[in-house]
Amino acid sequence: DAGVIQSPRHEVTEMGQEVTLRCKPISGHDYLFWYRQTMMRGLELLIYFNNNVPIDDSGMPEDRFSAKMPNASFSTLKIQPSEPRDSAVYFCASTGSLGYEQYFGPGTRLTVT
Amino acid sequence: TQLLEQSPQFLSIQEGENLTVYCNSSSVFSSLQWYRQEPGEGPVLLVTVVTGGEVKKLKRLTFQFGDARKDSSLHITAAQPGDTGLYLCAGYGGSQGNLIFGKGTKLSVKP
Repeated sequence: DAGVIQSPRHEVTEMGQEVTLRCKPISGHDYLFWYRQTMMRGLELLIYFNNNVPIDDSGMPEDRFSAKMPNASFSTLKIQPSEPRDSAVYFCASTGSLGYEQYFGPGTRLTVT
Repeated sequence: TQLLEQSPQFLSIQEGENLTVYCNSSSVFSSLQWYRQEPGEGPVLLVTVVTGGEVKKLKRLTFQFGDARKDSSLHITAAQPGDTGLYLCAGYGGSQGNLIFGKGTKLSVKP
């Protein structure tokens, strides 16, 4: 298996623009997570899905953030409109069961100017 | 709210030295995981500890889960430059909740 795949790896955009991050989890994993990592706040959970259904989105900062999982092999995290404070590395991870090892993608480094 | 505090935040040592990093909480966890993250990559699992008092060894790395399952430590013997990275602990409280991650210890091992 190729592992968790994320795209793009780097994104630079201007404030106010829409940003879409993409993730393909490991085949057979029922859980998919979106995290954001910054120096100040560490690794923060934004949202997670079980069998394509959002289970906990309490970490989503505000209405500017939305996430979807239309099928078992694809998820998106959208920020609209983007702001400079959204600059961070965004990780997608998947696992077969809660409490077990999470497999992380390489991350998307987002810079909003 | 369950929190995991990691210490120290930063650690810079010379090759060959020993070190210990800590992961503490006031909450009890069903299990605790340690991940290592290298620059430009996602975290990768090193070990999972489940039983209070459990000790696991992975080559030069020794992991311990506290008797009360509220804390854990990672000890590295004779550190090497390849050990450089961010070490994250993550606790699982059960009850279908997600992992709780600490902020990490950033380790730099200089040759």
